[in-house]
Amino acid sequence: QSVLTQPPSVSGAPGQRITISCTGSSSNIGAGYDVYWYQQLPGTAPKLLIYGSNSDRPSGVPDRFSGSKSGTSASLAITGLQAEDEADYYCQSYDSFLSGSVFGTGTKVTVL
Amino acid sequence: QVQLQESGPGLVKPSGTLSLTCAVSGGSISSSNWWSWVRQPPGKGLEWIGEIYHTGSTSYNPSLKSRVTISIDKSKNQFSLRLTSVTAADTAVYYCARLQHSWFDRWGPGTLVTVSS
Repeated sequence: QSVLTQPPSVSGAPGQRITISCTGSSSNIGAGYDVYWYQQLPGTAPKLLIYGSNSDRPSGVPDRFSGSKSGTSASLAITGLQAEDEADYYCQSYDSFLSGSVFGTGTKVTVL
Repeated sequence: QVQLQESGPGLVKPSGTLSLTCAVSGGSISSSNWWSWVRQPPGKGLEWIGEIYHTGSTSYNPSLKSRVTISIDKSKNQFSLRLTSVTAADTAVYYCARLQHSWFDRWGPGTLVTVSS
């Protein structure tokens, strides 16, 4: 039961910039909790893309990926879209009502 | 480099109990991290199940709390998930993961558990 809402799909041509939104509420993103992002390729475990209060990237994640947050929403931007970016993307935060982690509904990115 | 690996039965009968173990290698389970379980029904999104600290403190998703137990075995460097009274809705890929502060930085490859008679 996801409490963070993402668009089901986003698409773009190679080289384009796309953004994925993640909308929460006053008990999670709106309460000031940070938002993290994961990439999931078919048949594999999620991989951390963006973490920390400064939207950092783990070693090996290209700087084409960036995160931002405002109010009760957050966004993941992918610039210079590449074929290898085709995957499902999930946002995640902490929810004070659940006293635990919550994930977004997930967004499938298609490279045209 | 910490690695996680899930293990357990891939098929559980309805009303039965799902039991999985996550072996942690390359690091101590007694480190300052919480250890978590996350599941993903086929074709659907991720759901946080719960987590445990090496002291034995736990936190569970309220929607599953009445059926879930997470335990830890520091001598074997592993932690476990137990989910009772399972139904077809519990069919999913189950992942174990390490919670670093508030994000999941290490994941196991996942194991598919099917609930069927």
